[in-house]
Amino acid sequence: GQQLNQSPQSMFIQEGEDVSMNCTSSSIFNTWLWYKQDPGEGPILLIALYKAGELTSNGRLTAQFGITRKDSFLNISASIPSDVGIYFCAGHPLRDSNYQLIWGAGTKLIIKP
Amino acid sequence: GAGVSQSPRYKVAKRGQDVALRCDPISGHVSLFWYQQALGQGPEFLTYFQNEAQLDKSGLPSDRFFAERPEGSVSTLKIQRTQQEDSAVYLCASSLWTVMSSGNTIYFGEGSWLTVV
Repeated sequence: GQQLNQSPQSMFIQEGEDVSMNCTSSSIFNTWLWYKQDPGEGPILLIALYKAGELTSNGRLTAQFGITRKDSFLNISASIPSDVGIYFCAGHPLRDSNYQLIWGAGTKLIIKP
Repeated sequence: GAGVSQSPRYKVAKRGQDVALRCDPISGHVSLFWYQQALGQGPEFLTYFQNEAQLDKSGLPSDRFFAERPEGSVSTLKIQRTQQEDSAVYLCASSLWTVMSSGNTIYFGEGSWLTVV
């Protein structure tokens, strides 16, 4: 099925470093969502974006809805061990139903000991 | 409960066996979704219910997959004659309203992990 292009696929970082990941699409999206999924758990919503250009923060997390409506990024500042997990972007394509989410393949965040 | 509850959490089925996966959405939530997540991938949409009405089943991979929500609350995803390629995590999610807009968060359950051997 259709998926968003999410990168990087994985990241190895030191505790305290900043992290950046992004998602792109060939079509316009009207909603961008960022989720975190821990092993054996369902995805948990981190940040939701509904307007082009919107910049939203949630603690150390910041995400932006790209002006072109075809991309979004998520930044994590000063990473800590509990940030480890898989981060997914998801969104609603403009041309499709307003409930079916399209997902990226995920960015696996690993903190180097 | 406070969140979306799914059962069983883990299911091992023999090839050809029928399975039923249950989802208890958050009370009062109108929208209910089923997603399939293969290992190392993002979830993929299966089907959507608005109350008891199944408005979209375009993501169901074959006619062996069937979902229902007869009273607009609990939902069951049934897979008949399971195949190895059905092995995946099946995620259920619910939201309060139907329109995906600010404030209408989609809440996911922990998933049912199906392994077909």
